[in-house]
Amino acid sequence: GAGVSQSPRYKVTKRGQDVALRCDPISGHVSLYWYRQALGQGPEFLTYFNYEAQQDKSGLPNDRFSAERPEGSISTLTIQRTEQRDSAMYRCASSISGTSGYNEQFFGPGTRLTVL
Amino acid sequence: GQQVMQIPQYQHVQEGEDFTTYCNSSTTLSNIQWYKQRPGGHPVFLIQLVKSGEVKKQKRLTFQFGEAKKNSSLHITATQTTDVGTYFCAVRNTGGFKTIFGAGTRLFVKA
Repeated sequence: GAGVSQSPRYKVTKRGQDVALRCDPISGHVSLYWYRQALGQGPEFLTYFNYEAQQDKSGLPNDRFSAERPEGSISTLTIQRTEQRDSAMYRCASSISGTSGYNEQFFGPGTRLTVL
Repeated sequence: GQQVMQIPQYQHVQEGEDFTTYCNSSTTLSNIQWYKQRPGGHPVFLIQLVKSGEVKKQKRLTFQFGEAKKNSSLHITATQTTDVGTYFCAVRNTGGFKTIFGAGTRLFVKA
């Protein structure tokens, strides 16, 4: 079956522009995570959704970052007024359930964001 | 907040040698996961450990969870070039869903 997909795979934007990154999780997966991964580092947690509810957004760096998952499936991570320090790989992951204690996460290929 | 320390940062081995990476936490963990990320790829789940002192094996990979549930290790016996990549441990903050990844151990295998 299809895995987690993300689009676009690459995004180059100018400083000050807004960007929207999309994540399409595995069908039926309840939990959805967004991460940011710098080169040579582990994924850094940004936010978590259980169905459509954003249950943890403690990792969002500032108020320029927001995320939604309105119908409990596809999710969008939006960065407003991008800055060069926002350049990174943004990864989405989904898991079948976050409440059972077992949450094998399936990662998407990521969106490489470059802010000029 | 929750943190995990992972060592070493890098490891170069000759093919056939063994490899071990360690993950340490200052607090007791409910569980710990291990992921592998190939160069240019995305993290792929390997295993989750839950019980104190648990040991699990997957072919040449052996995973251990410490008795105090504060540390874990991944050991690869007789490395192969296909083992190349970065190995991450990941833990959840207590009572929540935030997942914290270690910095990873990057494994280089020379044929």
